Amino acid sequence: AQSVAQPEDQVNVAEGNPLTVKCTYSVSGNPYLFWYVQYPNRGLQFLLKYITGDNLVKGSYGFEAEFNKSQTSFHLKKPSALVSDSALYFCAVRDKAYNTDKLIFGTGTRLQVFP
Amino acid sequence: NAGVTQTPKFRVLKTGQSMTLLCAQDMNHEYMYWYRQDPGMGLRLIHYSVGEGTTAKGEVPDGYNVSRLKKQNFLLGLESAAPSQTSVYFCASSYALAGPTDTQYFGPGTRLTVL
Repeated sequence: AQSVAQPEDQVNVAEGNPLTVKCTYSVSGNPYLFWYVQYPNRGLQFLLKYITGDNLVKGSYGFEAEFNKSQTSFHLKKPSALVSDSALYFCAVRDKAYNTDKLIFGTGTRLQVFP
Repeated sequence: NAGVTQTPKFRVLKTGQSMTLLCAQDMNHEYMYWYRQDPGMGLRLIHYSVGEGTTAKGEVPDGYNVSRLKKQNFLLGLESAAPSQTSVYFCASSYALAGPTDTQYFGPGTRLTVL
């Protein structure tokens, strides 16, 4: 079965510093991996997606993610954090089978960026 | 283009009462999903639909029913609410997730409290 794990419940970083939010995956076949962000009292918003090709995927709001097949990881990164990046981040993997196409989500990582 | 909308935004029920949550999308998506979000649990799929007139069980379907009589609407019903169903409910919709920009689009959520 497809699954993703987010090993950190919370990540704290100072504004201006680089940030990393970790995600590891377990899939059969080639993975389709996603990152979403959730701001308070809002639905999830799509940040980026990996299908195939370049291991560094660029997304919205200056975020990028690095796909590493040998470590089965898909970490979310940003070179310089902003206070406004403080939110809940979810990693997800596509689960495609006959007559179904859905996402399996991780448990989420809360990012706190301090001024 | 409203995207994905959910009705109502908030609701308080007493144990044993019933209610229906409405999700509507205007993007002509085939797939629609209902999730619940609980602290530390991430998003868990309740039911989903791959097209008008179809429904399927997700990870946590017990205590819920769904219907997709029209392509743009996906209804989630609680026949006899229990305190364990206190949660934030999100609806999402999508095309198939194969392409580089294909993603699920989320509604703003419904906060349900069962007393």
